[in-house]
Amino acid sequence: AQSVTQLGSHVSVSEGALVLLRCNYSSSVPPYLFWYVQYPNQGLQLLLKYTTGATLVKGINGFEAEFKKSETSFHLTKPSAHMSDAAEYFCAVRPGRAGGGNKLTFGTGTQLKVEL
Amino acid sequence: EAGVAQSPRYKIIEKRQSVAFWCNPISGHATLYWYQQILGQGPKLLIQFQNNGVVDDSQLPKDRFSAERLKGVDSTLKIQPAKLEDSAVYLCASSLSPGTNEKLFFGSGTQLSVL
Repeated sequence: AQSVTQLGSHVSVSEGALVLLRCNYSSSVPPYLFWYVQYPNQGLQLLLKYTTGATLVKGINGFEAEFKKSETSFHLTKPSAHMSDAAEYFCAVRPGRAGGGNKLTFGTGTQLKVEL
Repeated sequence: EAGVAQSPRYKIIEKRQSVAFWCNPISGHATLYWYQQILGQGPKLLIQFQNNGVVDDSQLPKDRFSAERLKGVDSTLKIQPAKLEDSAVYLCASSLSPGTNEKLFFGSGTQLSVL
């Protein structure tokens, strides 16, 4: 079984400020973890993913996330927010080993607002 | 490359009516997924196809929802009869294969409003 909890359904930051979107997961097998972004009236786009290896993963648009097994977390960060980052962000998990299935389970999403 | 195409973009129906959504995945993608995204929630997998066979439909309300992927390419998702709680965005996604490391590509979705 797997699940994802995103803390904070709405996050507001000033342009240029640090972005931190929180994600905690639960998985009975080693997880693969993902962050997706959804702009208004568009489909989900993959920002970054963790599968194996380096626990700090870098994605598109300056975002990065760190897999912390001890904390069961995969928080998304960006050093300096830009107005164009305003969107909804979804954390997701899927089993990370063959035979575990490949069902992607999403969190409830965090709406990021960037203010001038 | 062309992305995942979905139609219609929006649909408004009354409860107890029927509705169908269409999805054309990326060419060559064997795996196709339908997700339901209710406002304020994350997408939930309804059904997964591998070519024209169903891999996972455990969360599909089979009394009213049906889906098919004839010839292993395009897919349709049908609701009959619709209920108010079916109001949601229906997302189609595809991937080359069902492997755990495969990237999913999502369409823009069909927004359904049931009145």
